Amino acid sequence: DSGVTQTPKHLITATGQRVTLRCSPRSGDLSVYWYQQSLDQGLQFLIQYYNGEERAKGNILERFSAQQFPDLHSELNLSSLELGDSALYFCASSLSRQGGRGNEQFFGPGTRLTVL
Amino acid sequence: KNEVEQSPQNLTAQEGEFITINCSYSVGISALHWLQQHPGGGIVSLFMLSSGKKKHGRLIATINIQEKHSSLHITASHPRDSAVYICAAGTGNQFYFGTGTSLTVIP
Repeated sequence: DSGVTQTPKHLITATGQRVTLRCSPRSGDLSVYWYQQSLDQGLQFLIQYYNGEERAKGNILERFSAQQFPDLHSELNLSSLELGDSALYFCASSLSRQGGRGNEQFFGPGTRLTVL
Repeated sequence: KNEVEQSPQNLTAQEGEFITINCSYSVGISALHWLQQHPGGGIVSLFMLSSGKKKHGRLIATINIQEKHSSLHITASHPRDSAVYICAAGTGNQFYFGTGTSLTVIP
């Protein structure tokens, strides 16, 4: 158990809908990362938040947005869903912003999103 | 062009064999990560390297910054090592992932 929790575990929805994925980091970790893993694209970095502020942005679509709240949990919002958004979405947390020993990432169990 | 290339893509080994997985990257990194993804989907971070060599149990990771190359070694492999191993290059504000090496260790 990494200490990172993600809800829900599974989500099935229809095209055009909007969903929210939730992540609670390990106690004490200030950074939260979101990743998407699809069959055809593999793992992709979406976005990182550090202590409530956006720290780094990867291949995140404009239809997707995220935020980190004062209690450090994070939500990833996916809207106007398409079939191609079906994937595993992982959240990870780390102590620090980047580099150094404190940046080891701890992964949550993932949310499997199926768009029908 | 992929920023991170891994080889081999698939690997089958007999229990007890020494295993090497290679990772080459083309970006400037702040750290190189090795991840393990189990058949159930869960991901575990094995190593984070910015230079030299790290060892954890039967796993060893090395990195050559000049050659932009890293290797993950597993000594005395065991069936429980069967998983997908993923290399990721962290640049400080971006992460690039390899496509993974699927390892099967046969008893």
